[in-house]
Amino acid sequence: EDKVVQSPLSLVVHEGDTVTLNCSYEVTNFRSLLWYKQEKKAPTFLFMLTSSGIEKKSGRLSSILDKKELFSILNITATQTGDSAVYLCAVLGDYGQNFVFGPGTRLSVLP
Amino acid sequence: EAQVTQNPRYLITVTGKKLTVTCSQNMNHEYMSWYRQDPGLGLRQIYYSMNVEVTDKGDVPEGYKVSRKEKRNFPLILESPSPNQTSLYFCASSHPGLMNTEAFFGQGTRLTVV
Repeated sequence: EDKVVQSPLSLVVHEGDTVTLNCSYEVTNFRSLLWYKQEKKAPTFLFMLTSSGIEKKSGRLSSILDKKELFSILNITATQTGDSAVYLCAVLGDYGQNFVFGPGTRLSVLP
Repeated sequence: EAQVTQNPRYLITVTGKKLTVTCSQNMNHEYMSWYRQDPGLGLRQIYYSMNVEVTDKGDVPEGYKVSRKEKRNFPLILESPSPNQTSLYFCASSHPGLMNTEAFFGQGTRLTVV
């Protein structure tokens, strides 16, 4: 059965800190791994990763995938209160039919 | 604007009273799905549809029905809602024909069954 595990489940930091969120997975016929940010509404897309070792970067956020060890990390540098959200990791496998989501990491950034 | 539209956004209902949550997408996506999100459990898939008239169960289908009569619409039906179906529901669509694709989400429907 396809599975996605995220850690930590919850994290509290202060503005300016750097955080690393983890996502490990087991999936049949891996296609891609996606990161989403969810505030009080629908998840919004951050990154899609398909190849190992290639960092994706957007401002203070970056992510990388290790297909050999079956995990990905999402880094946020110089955190701001606006980064407070639930970060969801999802994998697309099984010939592109279904997304499997992890439980999410709830990040709280304190001023 | 490409979007997935769910209605209603909020709904409070009583046990046993049939309800339908609508979902519509304007991106001509073949693949649509419904998720429920509960604290600590993340997004769990209820049903999905690969195309018109093709639907299948996800991880938590009990107590739900869906239909896909048109490509753009994928309503979620609760024939006899129960309090354990109180949750936040998301509809999503994507294009599985592409090598890699992201899921586009609706704004969510917060359902309370009393």
